[in-house]
Amino acid sequence: QVQLVQSGGGVVQPGRSLRLSCAASGFSFSGYGMHWVRQAPGKGLEWVAVISYDGGNKYYADSVKGRFTISRDNSKNTLYLQMNSLRGEDTAVYYCAKAPDGAFYFYMDVWGKGTTVTVSS
Amino acid sequence: QVALTQSPSASASLGASVKLTCTLSSGHSIYAIAWHQQQPDKGPRFLMRLNSDGSHIKGGGIPDRFSGSSSGAERYLTISNLQSEDEADYYCQTWGTGIRVFGGGTKLTVL
Repeated sequence: QVQLVQSGGGVVQPGRSLRLSCAASGFSFSGYGMHWVRQAPGKGLEWVAVISYDGGNKYYADSVKGRFTISRDNSKNTLYLQMNSLRGEDTAVYYCAKAPDGAFYFYMDVWGKGTTVTVSS
Repeated sequence: QVALTQSPSASASLGASVKLTCTLSSGHSIYAIAWHQQQPDKGPRFLMRLNSDGSHIKGGGIPDRFSGSSSGAERYLTISNLQSEDEADYYCQTWGTGIRVFGGGTKLTVL
């Protein structure tokens, strides 16, 4: 079955960097767009970034543009989120999610279980 | 830019039906959306994609009790024969050029 296994969360100081990973299995990873979505404590869902099936197209929320980078390694069936210049407001549970197709990646049809990122001194 | 509005809370009795509403911002009434469910202390789960004409595509394993419909800028999620496990947060989500947007979510309480 489709699985998204996340790793890389933790506690990090403001201004530092962290990289999240999302290992996919059970589907042809290279054919699907992928998203990152986050949820701050007690808050709703916030979309962070999306990447097309081949990595050729990437889009970001304004709140992370210029600081976060989404990428993928289709040979390893893995999605990444490089987070630089972290701020307290980046504290959240981060979810990776699969899009239902490769070219239009409009929404999410399978979600990972999430990994927690805490930005604190 | 497209935006979505949801009521913060809703409640209904066990075994009853409830209709949750997601409203698209002005000028975006033809947009499709997706509905997602988040049970307490769990990750989200995709329920369905809902088009402006009311047609919808459900995620795998989603019970027939969950259905969607549309009217103008409103997108609805109806849950019939409410079960205790339906108590959750429900989010609508849509998309525009280069962006994806979530509504604020509706917390559903099953009485």
